[in-house]
Amino acid sequence: GNSVTQMEGPVTLSEEAFLTINCTYTATGYPSLFWYVQYPGEGLQLLLKATKADDKGSNKGFEATYRKETTSFHLEKGSVQVSDSAVYFCALSDQASGGYNKLIFGAGTRLAVHP
Amino acid sequence: DAGVTQSPTHLIKTRGQQVTLRCSPKSGHDTVSWYQQALGQGPQFIFQYYEEEERQRGNFPDRFSGHQFPNYSSELNVNALLLGDSALYLCASSQLDMDGKAFFGQGTRLTVV
Repeated sequence: GNSVTQMEGPVTLSEEAFLTINCTYTATGYPSLFWYVQYPGEGLQLLLKATKADDKGSNKGFEATYRKETTSFHLEKGSVQVSDSAVYFCALSDQASGGYNKLIFGAGTRLAVHP
Repeated sequence: DAGVTQSPTHLIKTRGQQVTLRCSPKSGHDTVSWYQQALGQGPQFIFQYYEEEERQRGNFPDRFSGHQFPNYSSELNVNALLLGDSALYLCASSQLDMDGKAFFGQGTRLTVV
């Protein structure tokens, strides 16, 4: 079945450092790919998405490119801030018959940014 | 727009008891999905409701059941609670044609003792 694998955390960075969180997926067909972020004590928020190969999703300085050839969707940010400290989840949209979609998530990567 | 709202935010139950969690989807959304997020893990899909019917189900036992009402709100019921059911339960709302994009509530933290 479809699955998502992301790098284990925690990732600890200094403010203004460059961030990469790796995500690879296994899927039949061409699912949409997502990054969700979970701040402490909160639910998940959509950070960015990409719906087809070579699409680049971007939001709040974060970017990720849908790479079909490497089945990857790595999250990057050029300069992280303390406020970016959270858990980041890579996910894909798994479509069943009838057009019903569900999300399959990776295990999450905790990011800690210190001043 | 109130977004996705869940209630209660926290609750504690005893093994063997039953629990009902509630979710109101974002305005304009017709599809509700439920996820279980164990500590330190990613959310796992439980089931999805559209037009008051269960449309998809993940790998969860029949102790987990749900319902969707005509106003699109939804309930998740868990019977015969086990310690392993302790988790954050997330409700996600979407529209059927949103290609998987979903909006999540803050979750209900269930602790089974």
